[in-house]
Amino acid sequence: DTAVSQTPKYLVTQMGNDKSIKCEQNLGHDTMYWYKQDSKKFLKIMFSYNNKELIINETVPNRFSPKSPDKAHLNLHINSLELGDSAVYFCASSPMGLAGGSRYEQYFGPGTRLTVT
Amino acid sequence: KQEVTQIPAALSVPEGENLVLNCSFTDSAIYNLQWFRQDPGKGLTSLLLIQSSQREQTSGRLNASLDKSSGRSTLYIAASQPGDSATYLCAVSTGQAGTALIFGKGTTLSVSS
Repeated sequence: DTAVSQTPKYLVTQMGNDKSIKCEQNLGHDTMYWYKQDSKKFLKIMFSYNNKELIINETVPNRFSPKSPDKAHLNLHINSLELGDSAVYFCASSPMGLAGGSRYEQYFGPGTRLTVT
Repeated sequence: KQEVTQIPAALSVPEGENLVLNCSFTDSAIYNLQWFRQDPGKGLTSLLLIQSSQREQTSGRLNASLDKSSGRSTLYIAASQPGDSATYLCAVSTGQAGTALIFGKGTTLSVSS
């Protein structure tokens, strides 16, 4: 009965490869997010989706492409992986997306540790 | 641009002490503030969420306060235990579409028995 799940938990790959990380939430939330936690443990937003529509796209290389097949899933595809992409990627969801949301607590998945060699 | 700062970066206390973790943010126009706990190699666990209209929230031994006008929040942990050892993260919602959280860099707490 995991609320926000991610697969895989660990991902080790070589430079230049293409990889995907999957995220699913069973909370019925409208909004999903991808955050990146760098080697200094700093968390930063990458993307957010509300009802399958892209809302936030921070300054992220276009090698990163999120895809939301439905409201409960938000996958992250990364092309041409680079050493600097090594990080922990967290998926999150919240019950409200757009304006008016004073109560939209975010729930995080367990993270995917990506190591690029 | 909203920035979140947490002080101290690390804290070591003996078991049983009461302690306070500090969080400050530069733009007082927030929708809410959330405190998380992160254990090594693990995900984030939400501890408390304070809405912008609230002054504090309590959960068990945890009490979080919010002073929006001064851009400050504190997380008070009563009677600390070794199991409280973790990194505590403070995050504010920007209110923009998608309500992304802006995080501080965290306070790493170590409670010794």
